[in-house]
Amino acid sequence: NAGVTQTPKFQVLKTGQSMTLQCAQDMNHEYMSWYRQDPGMGLRLIHYSVGAGITDQGEVPNGYNVSRSTTEDFPLRLLSAAPSQTSVYFCASSYSVTSGGSYNEQFFGPGTRLTVL
Amino acid sequence: GEDVEQSLFLSVREGDSSVINCTYTDSSSTYLYWYKQEPGAGLQLLTYIFSNMDMKQDQRLTVLLNKKDKHLSLRIADTQTGDSAIYFCAESGADSWGKLQFGAGTQVVVTP
Repeated sequence: NAGVTQTPKFQVLKTGQSMTLQCAQDMNHEYMSWYRQDPGMGLRLIHYSVGAGITDQGEVPNGYNVSRSTTEDFPLRLLSAAPSQTSVYFCASSYSVTSGGSYNEQFFGPGTRLTVL
Repeated sequence: GEDVEQSLFLSVREGDSSVINCTYTDSSSTYLYWYKQEPGAGLQLLTYIFSNMDMKQDQRLTVLLNKKDKHLSLRIADTQTGDSAIYFCAESGADSWGKLQFGAGTQVVVTP
């Protein structure tokens, strides 16, 4: 299994450009999520999906769109890049859990380092 | 909202024990986790503890949980240079899909 893969590894954009960060997993996980990592702030949840066709907003969704047409893929779209979106982006996936809380190991991709000039 | 806090930096000599501390505010947390991030890589689960436990040991790792004080710690015995990394504390509450709330991460530097 390749696990969680992300492309590209690095990207430089100009303000106003759009782009899509790709994420794919081959573990048949139901749950997928996107985080951004900024120095001193840990990981913050952007969007997540609990299954194909279902997405929801996380803590910092503004400026980003997602869709989940298949179980395997969960792309993140930047509609009009801004310097504040310079960050490292991580995609993660996990198995479903029962309601009421349960152990949930999230498997992370290697990240995409994005710079917006 | 929920908060998870950690100190940002820890320096330790090779062979000594490292202790990384974390506090959280969500009293409904059911599982608490420690993730490790090596340079240029994604996060990897190191260990976890269920909220009704107060200690868990896994080889060189010991997790202590004080649920009353909402304090979690990770002790690494006989710290090695390969333990140099960022360590993230995270908690999941009663949310049905186990959404994680992460701390800011503690950078551990192991010196010879």
